[in-house]
Amino acid sequence: DAKTTQPPSMDCAEGRAANLPCNHSTISGNEYVYWYRQIHSQGPQYIIHGLKNNETNEMASLIITEDRKSSTLILPHATLRDTAVYYCIVRVLDAGNMLTFGGGTRLMVKP
Amino acid sequence: EAGVAQSPRYKIIEKRQSVAFWCNPISGHATLYWYQQILGQGPKLLIQFQNNGVVDDSQLPKDRFSAERLKGVDSTLKIQPAKLEDSAVYLCASSLPRDSGDTQYFGPGTRLTVL
Repeated sequence: DAKTTQPPSMDCAEGRAANLPCNHSTISGNEYVYWYRQIHSQGPQYIIHGLKNNETNEMASLIITEDRKSSTLILPHATLRDTAVYYCIVRVLDAGNMLTFGGGTRLMVKP
Repeated sequence: EAGVAQSPRYKIIEKRQSVAFWCNPISGHATLYWYQQILGQGPKLLIQFQNNGVVDDSQLPKDRFSAERLKGVDSTLKIQPAKLEDSAVYLCASSLPRDSGDTQYFGPGTRLTVL
């Protein structure tokens, strides 16, 4: 079973920041937080991951609370192409450790 | 860099027929995964290979599903015989362990419809 809880859907206006929350209250000390997204009719795409420090890359920022029980994925300037299902996953960083997907958050970016 | 390739993209069969899917991972990726994604749900792992050996097949319905990865590169997933509930998208992913956080790269998937 997935170890994360996400809202089933969210809307965001084009050009605004999209903030996607994720609860992972049972996360273990050696588990990372990963985010993937899945655009319609495509395979999931890696976005970002982190352990306890905030992370930023060209796609998004990941903010992890100090107690690591929740996190927020931030898309700073959402575009229509960011419309997708976003999955928050916790996993141990290890060779070949599988991804356990939950239901994700369906983000709709509106003009 | 070429991504994960899968074929066919779409397949329609009748129940009790057989079907096979093919996956070519990213060059050099030792770990290969097959996931099943039923409409409206997140992907679920079916089987994981490390090179040509099976690491985890605990979620694979072995009475009808089989998979192989000969020579540690390409992989095939077979369903024989298919049931209506096998209608889903079958996703293949690959990763290079401990590279960039063991990120998994997914192919476009094969959409299977069983009538």
